[in-house]
Amino acid sequence: SAVISQKPSRDICQRGTSLTIQCQVDSQVTMMFWYRQQPGQSLTLIATANQGSEATYESGFVIDKFPISRPNLTFSTLTVSNMSPEDSSIYLCSENSGSETQYFGPGTRLLVL
Amino acid sequence: QKEVEQDPGPLSVPEGAIVSLNCTYSNSAFQYFMWYRQYSRKGPELLMYTYSSGNKEDGRFTAQVDKSSKYISLFIRDSQPSDSATYLCAMSVNSGGSNYKLTFGKGTLLTVNP
Repeated sequence: SAVISQKPSRDICQRGTSLTIQCQVDSQVTMMFWYRQQPGQSLTLIATANQGSEATYESGFVIDKFPISRPNLTFSTLTVSNMSPEDSSIYLCSENSGSETQYFGPGTRLLVL
Repeated sequence: QKEVEQDPGPLSVPEGAIVSLNCTYSNSAFQYFMWYRQYSRKGPELLMYTYSSGNKEDGRFTAQVDKSSKYISLFIRDSQPSDSATYLCAMSVNSGGSNYKLTFGKGTLLTVNP
């Protein structure tokens, strides 16, 4: 599996602002995924990001709120826009190396005040 | 009914105990079954992966799948304090090409006391 890093590891933001989270993989991967992990809730898929195409969003998530970029095969960003306290969560990226399983980054812990 | 149900615990056991963690699911289309371990302030780490009914063993860990009952389990033998973590079950189905969509349980918080 690839080694995945995320930046920032944590942040505290004011409501109404936006934060861009970076995900870097140490090898080329086709598919990358962005998840949200809220306290007491299941890991929830936000969107799937393929290089060279628009991200595919899951029900309940929209591009205006969570724009995603995938400029190459080793990098992706997720922006959380116009944040509210309800966006406080852990955001995780992952890749699947073309297999049935996924490998996760360390996560970004976001607190919105 | 959620697709994947997992008792969130918390579960507290003494060192050396056998731990049993379980998930049930409702979607018979799920093809692959995984267990992830997540330490506090870390990302989930793939622990076990299987695709068929039956048992799969890896050291102190055994993953069990019963597709007829839509039930999966993870057993930890001789549990250690270092096993203290949240354990997440996950299941996947092919969504086209190499896109396998994962559905997770809520996770069970396990504490192994020395």
